[in-house]
Amino acid sequence: EPEVTQTPSHQVTQMGQEVILRCVPISNHLYFYWYRQILGQKVEFLVSFYNNEISEKSEIFDDQFSVERPDGSNFTLKIRSTKLEDSAMYFCASSEARGQGARNQPQHFGDGTRLSIL
Amino acid sequence: AQSVAQPEDQVNVAEGNPLTVKCTYSVSGNPYLFWYVQYPNRGLQFLLKYITGDNLVKGSYGFEAEFNKSQTSFHLKKPSALVSDSALYFCAVRASTDSWGKLQFGAGTQVVVTP
Repeated sequence: EPEVTQTPSHQVTQMGQEVILRCVPISNHLYFYWYRQILGQKVEFLVSFYNNEISEKSEIFDDQFSVERPDGSNFTLKIRSTKLEDSAMYFCASSEARGQGARNQPQHFGDGTRLSIL
Repeated sequence: AQSVAQPEDQVNVAEGNPLTVKCTYSVSGNPYLFWYVQYPNRGLQFLLKYITGDNLVKGSYGFEAEFNKSQTSFHLKKPSALVSDSALYFCAVRASTDSWGKLQFGAGTQVVVTP
């Protein structure tokens, strides 16, 4: 069964450094998402991406964050200048488009990247 | 704004007994409801969804969920729990009017099934 893959599984970075988290969504999916889960807290939506542009973003997704689909397969999340509070598990997800777009399709999640900011 | 409540942090059940994980939601318009399971060091795995139609939906691994519009609930059930069902379960909702599919998750319920 096709899977969403994320690399690396664990990233340790000094505060203030840039970090790029990488994702390969399922190949025929058209909607892409990033979520994060701070330890012990709920999964939070960051951003959705469709047709090569951001379709929606949360208040968490400030100017320090950006997303990109540099080629036909990868989907990346960049944090420009990391802060301690960016430490979390980051999940990439994708869903296919049918009928009413992404509304009624389940999202398929990767195993996440654990980001630790020192 | 949409929200999801999972009132129990943890549910303990003996193997072979029925399992119920509770979820209530708040959303404008019709809800699209989902259950996901998370095993340690893994991502969220889709179990089942309610979009429209029959209030009882069946999903993976013998799980089912019942949509109750009047009580705004979507409880997850399994008639006979297995030790391997021990995991973290998340309920999620999205509004039917949301074209982009953003999910709002509950806080999660840890299920512990004892032999």
